[in-house]
Amino acid sequence: QVQLQESGPGLVKPSETLSLTCTVSGGSLSNYYWSWIRQPAGKGLEWIGHISTTGTTNYNPSLRNRVTMSVGTSKNQFSLRLSSVTAADTATYYCARDMFYSKGDCWGQGSLVSVSS
Amino acid sequence: DIQMTQSPSSLSASVGDRVTITCQASQDISNYLNWYQQKPGKAPKLLIYDASNLESGVPSRFSGSGSGTDFTFTISSLQPEDIATYYCQQYNTLPLTFGPGTKVDIK
Repeated sequence: QVQLQESGPGLVKPSETLSLTCTVSGGSLSNYYWSWIRQPAGKGLEWIGHISTTGTTNYNPSLRNRVTMSVGTSKNQFSLRLSSVTAADTATYYCARDMFYSKGDCWGQGSLVSVSS
Repeated sequence: DIQMTQSPSSLSASVGDRVTITCQASQDISNYLNWYQQKPGKAPKLLIYDASNLESGVPSRFSGSGSGTDFTFTISSLQPEDIATYYCQQYNTLPLTFGPGTKVDIK
């Protein structure tokens, strides 16, 4: 059974770059797209973007200028970088098997990232 | 972007009640709709895909229907463990978008 686990700093300073990694176990990254989704406390879900194992990306236009996703197949990991963060980027960040080309049936447990000085 | 709306935003029902949530898309999304259940502090869990297909392992009291712009999610007999927020999500067009959620609790 495929499992996903987010990792990265829980606190980021304003104007700096948020970096998270998702490690996939129990299966391969290959042949799927992989998504990042975020959720501010008490609010709804926002799709950030997705990446294929060949590095093809699609980003939400609302974040496109600040988002970079990458994939490291040899380590079964993919990553998210969000630059120039503000308090509005404080949220729980989830990685998941993509829900555009796949069913969106596998999600990580989420990683809370706070933006504060 | 395709906008997703849900109603109601919250509801209270008794154990055993039939619960219905509606989701509307701002444009035709065919049947490219997921329904998720999210419990506090947990990741969303896929319940229904392609608008009406029950995900493996999900109890049959959950069901979905609809196509085009109007969709319905139903819990045929509400159970205490169904207390959660439910989200619809379209995957017809990028960017993927979610409804604002419907919070379900026990009366």
